[in-house]
Amino acid sequence: EVQLLESGGGLVQPGGSLRLSCEASGFTFSNSAMTWVRQAPGKGLEWVSTSGGSTYYADSVKGRFTISRDNSKNTLYLQLNSLKAEDTAVYYCAKDLRRPWDAYWGQGTLVTVSS
Amino acid sequence: DIQMTQSPSSLSASVGDRVTITCRASQGISNSLVWFQQKPGKAPKSLIYAASSLQSGAPSKFSGSGSGTDFTLTISSLQPEDFATYYCQQYYSYPLTFGQGTKVEIK
Repeated sequence: EVQLLESGGGLVQPGGSLRLSCEASGFTFSNSAMTWVRQAPGKGLEWVSTSGGSTYYADSVKGRFTISRDNSKNTLYLQLNSLKAEDTAVYYCAKDLRRPWDAYWGQGTLVTVSS
Repeated sequence: DIQMTQSPSSLSASVGDRVTITCRASQGISNSLVWFQQKPGKAPKSLIYAASSLQSGAPSKFSGSGSGTDFTLTISSLQPEDFATYYCQQYYSYPLTFGQGTKVEIK
């Protein structure tokens, strides 16, 4: 059974940093393109970043967020730096969003940026 | 970037109604479109991929059509468990982009 378990969310002050993790199981992690998608409170879904053969970022986070992965630990990371209030959102980890017949989403972790 | 525009942004419907939601891409995306259902506090759940293929486990009351720039999601007979927000998403190219969502509410 595929499982994606996000962690690392919490309350952080503007300008602060946070690292999110997504622990994967039930599939061959190293073969999968892994993605972070976020959803601000009461708002729609926003793609953030993907790690696959290449790495991609949304313009809104480029230069502030860094995606990485440790295939030996089956874990995806998102380093969030220089956080702004508008980064407040539930952050979802997802696999293979460009192979949607094989896609899966985690349950999300909440990041709140506030003083 | 490819912009995805859904309509309507919300709708009210009754149990048993046939409901159609549309999604338009700002440029051609072939059939690289997925439809999601999302309920409050839950992760999105895929219903349709490749514009018209039913996701494994999704009920057959959901169907999709379209290619190129114009797509539709149809719910054949709305049931209480279908009241939710629906999103389209293109996976033709990066950045992946979503429609703004359509909230389906009870009339």
